[in-house]
Amino acid sequence: TQLLEQSPQFLSIQEGENLTVYCNSSSVFSSLQWYRQEPGEGPVLLVTVVTGGEVKKLKRLTFQFGDARKDSSLHITAAQPGDTGLYLCAGVPYGNKLVFGAGTILRVKS
Amino acid sequence: ETGVTQSPTHLIKTRGQQVTLRCSSQSGHNTVSWYQQALGQGPQFIFQYYREEENGRGNFPPRFSGLQFPNYSSELNVNALELDDSALYLCASSLSAGAMDTQYFGPGTRLTVL
Repeated sequence: TQLLEQSPQFLSIQEGENLTVYCNSSSVFSSLQWYRQEPGEGPVLLVTVVTGGEVKKLKRLTFQFGDARKDSSLHITAAQPGDTGLYLCAGVPYGNKLVFGAGTILRVKS
Repeated sequence: ETGVTQSPTHLIKTRGQQVTLRCSSQSGHNTVSWYQQALGQGPQFIFQYYREEENGRGNFPPRFSGLQFPNYSSELNVNALELDDSALYLCASSLSAGAMDTQYFGPGTRLTVL
């Protein structure tokens, strides 16, 4: 059983569309992170959210941490082909090491 | 500033063999974490080394072992390879072992066990 459940597993959209990826858990996390991984590369950190209810924006990407610190979402506005990749959420359960979700594969078609 | 590097890039082994994977941490980082990423899955934590000592271990059997050197580079050793060990092995370095310290990942070593 995954500690962090990501949905959807796979998303294929047209350039210019908006999308949201979800990361849910029954556990509380001290922080949640979002990574993007391209084929043949390691994950690259996009953002860390720490405070319940926190919203962070990174250009066209908006990240939200749930009030109860159990879930997070990533929203992309006007997706571009360069956004294609594997999006991973990862969290630090209190007193433990980083755990990852299974990821969401995003494909943006031009 | 040199990022995290891993070697080799790809490796093919047969069941029962042993393998050693290497990781050079980013300059100034004293902590290295190793992860296993099976196809279609997120990375799973194997263990972490902080200042040459193991500092936490995930749910992996003892045939997965590691080492960190005085220059903070690290090795991951896997004995008695099994087919299910086929995966991308990632190492990540961080400034320290704190939960909030950002981990910087290397490109990984793709291990195939036949």
